[in-house]
Amino acid sequence: RKEVEQDPGPFNVPEGATVAFNCTYSNSASQSFFWYRQDCRKEPKLLMSVYSSGNEDGRFTAQLNRASQYISLLIRDSKLSDSATYLCVVTQLSGGSYIPTFGRGTSLIVHP
Amino acid sequence: NAGVTQTPKFRVLKTGQSMTLLCAQDMNHEYMYWYRQDPGMGLRLIHYSVGEGTTAKGEVPDGYNVSRLKKQNFLLGLESAAPSQTSVYFCASSSLLIQGEGNTGELFFGEGSRLTVL
Repeated sequence: RKEVEQDPGPFNVPEGATVAFNCTYSNSASQSFFWYRQDCRKEPKLLMSVYSSGNEDGRFTAQLNRASQYISLLIRDSKLSDSATYLCVVTQLSGGSYIPTFGRGTSLIVHP
Repeated sequence: NAGVTQTPKFRVLKTGQSMTLLCAQDMNHEYMYWYRQDPGMGLRLIHYSVGEGTTAKGEVPDGYNVSRLKKQNFLLGLESAAPSQTSVYFCASSSLLIQGEGNTGELFFGEGSRLTVL
């Protein structure tokens, strides 16, 4: 069982729609949580960190539920430019260091 | 502002050949990582380093070796390439992750190196 799991999708939504992704992690001692965005054949880039209190950045809202061990990403008013793969990243203690572990990613396609 | 630079960006090898991928970062980051990305598999950690002179195995280390002789450089070596090592390789770096929220530990990636082993 992979330590960080995501629904691969694709999620196919019209412009203006609201879409939500979940990510579950297996290690309860996980320390930090992030959402990265990856465009086709490009490197991943940080979209936002995820904090226990929840956080928002424009149309994007991220939440963390430590009790149920999942994080979520909500995108409101989807744009064509939001089409990408969204990667969930969880840092876990390994050999005395916190090491990032990636989910397999969720593909989002926003169509006109 | 270079950030993280990987060389080469593309390479075709024959089975059994050796090669080295170079990753260089100019952000004075302590942590550096090598990932491989295959279709449907996401990014998998090959090796990582928490500082100059240190290396550690990740999730898929077999067939690879690494070295971190200088803080800014992290080398990934394939001693005898196999077709199963055909992949896109990403190097990343981050500052020291401090326990607790507030320090993001954001990963900065290179543009990737596309390796094909025939």
